[in-house]
Amino acid sequence: ETGVTQTPRHLVMGMTNKKSLKCEQHLGHNAMYWYKQSAKKPLELMFVYSLEERVENNSVPSRFSPECPNSSHLFLHLHTLQPEDSALYLCASSQVASGSYEQYFGPGTRLTVT
Amino acid sequence: QKEVEQNSGPLSVPEGAIASLNCTYSDRGSQSFFWYRQYSGKSPELIMSIYSNGDKEDGRFTAQLNKASQYVSLLIRDSQPSDSATYLCAVASARQLTFGSGTQLTVLP
Repeated sequence: ETGVTQTPRHLVMGMTNKKSLKCEQHLGHNAMYWYKQSAKKPLELMFVYSLEERVENNSVPSRFSPECPNSSHLFLHLHTLQPEDSALYLCASSQVASGSYEQYFGPGTRLTVT
Repeated sequence: QKEVEQNSGPLSVPEGAIASLNCTYSDRGSQSFFWYRQYSGKSPELIMSIYSNGDKEDGRFTAQLNKASQYVSLLIRDSQPSDSATYLCAVASARQLTFGSGTQLTVLP
């Protein structure tokens, strides 16, 4: 596998379910990100794990819970979601270094909440 | 609130023409600037990075940066139908990227 991979690619879940999204990067990077992309809206940064430090967007509801066990793996745990959470969830990684902030995205998970 | 604004489009150009995509940003401390291409149903793909004022060329793509005017642009020369996509401008500061809403480009055969 190369680059950034995400599983599953598609997910349909009810509002009472619990599921997890998985991301793995094979680029040797030291930072990973979760983004939400809804129709007609800019990419919204949800969480960052960079150099073992977690940064989160304070507007993200607590029904989204990230986990980063190491620099190559990132999870997003989902529970009691709402229909408005239906979106494309993108994982990205980067090598945090002086002046370099290029991020590389995985293929995304298309989430539908019914 | 850091903001990145793009001309919303959609933008249509004939095949072989130059497509011009524009972006302005609010954070004067921003140091790095990126253009991503996103095909429908796919994830964003990094196509250009620019860090200093002036032009940077890569094949048919030219990125232009003017930090004094807080302006970034992307020119696509000899546009092809395969260039039809949404182009996202992203600006880095505090080790995070802020994205614009994107400009949808259609290249007409």
